Amino acid sequence: KNQVEQSPQSLIILEGKNCTLQCNYTVSPFSNLRWYKQDTGRGPVSLTIMTFSENTKSNGRYTATLDADTKQSSLHITASQLSDSASYICVVSGGGSYIPTFGRGTSLIVHP
Amino acid sequence: DTGVSQDPRHKITKRGQNVTFRCDPISEHNRLYWYRQTLGQGPEFLTYFQNEAQLEKSRLLSDRFSAERPKGSFSTLEIQRTEQGDSAMYLCASSTVAGRYEQYFGPGTRLTVT
Repeated sequence: KNQVEQSPQSLIILEGKNCTLQCNYTVSPFSNLRWYKQDTGRGPVSLTIMTFSENTKSNGRYTATLDADTKQSSLHITASQLSDSASYICVVSGGGSYIPTFGRGTSLIVHP
Repeated sequence: DTGVSQDPRHKITKRGQNVTFRCDPISEHNRLYWYRQTLGQGPEFLTYFQNEAQLEKSRLLSDRFSAERPKGSFSTLEIQRTEQGDSAMYLCASSTVAGRYEQYFGPGTRLTVT
């Protein structure tokens, strides 16, 4: 069964600090992995998309890594800002379906 | 703004009533997806269209749910005889066939069934 597990479920950090979110998946065969940011009451917005051959991809203060061998990904946020407070969702495509598998998300709260 | 739009943004209805939501995808996108999201959970797939053809439906899509995309452009999702368990955010996303893994989401419709 295709599954995506994210950790931690929630995280509270102080403004300016760094943090790392984790995503483990069992989707096979693997096609790509995306990280989305979802503000409360809004639709998800794509941050990064990574294919099998990509190990690292950055988007401003967001850096995603992918280890296709261990089926793990991480999203590192540098110098956090209050506006980073949101849910971060890991989405994996593949598994013989055009329908991606979503994780439950990590809820990040950045305090001043 | 040429992104995915959804209407209404919020809907409050009484149990047993029917509701209909609309999604307008990005104009050149021929794939359209519907998801349901409850608090603290990731989006759950409901159904998707390629042009006007409904290609896949989730088991979550009970007989009370129906979706259409009559001209391959906008789509509607109807829920008949709503139940309190239908309360959720209903998200629409679109993509091109070539970029089928890059989905662009709308702002969602928040449904509350009282």
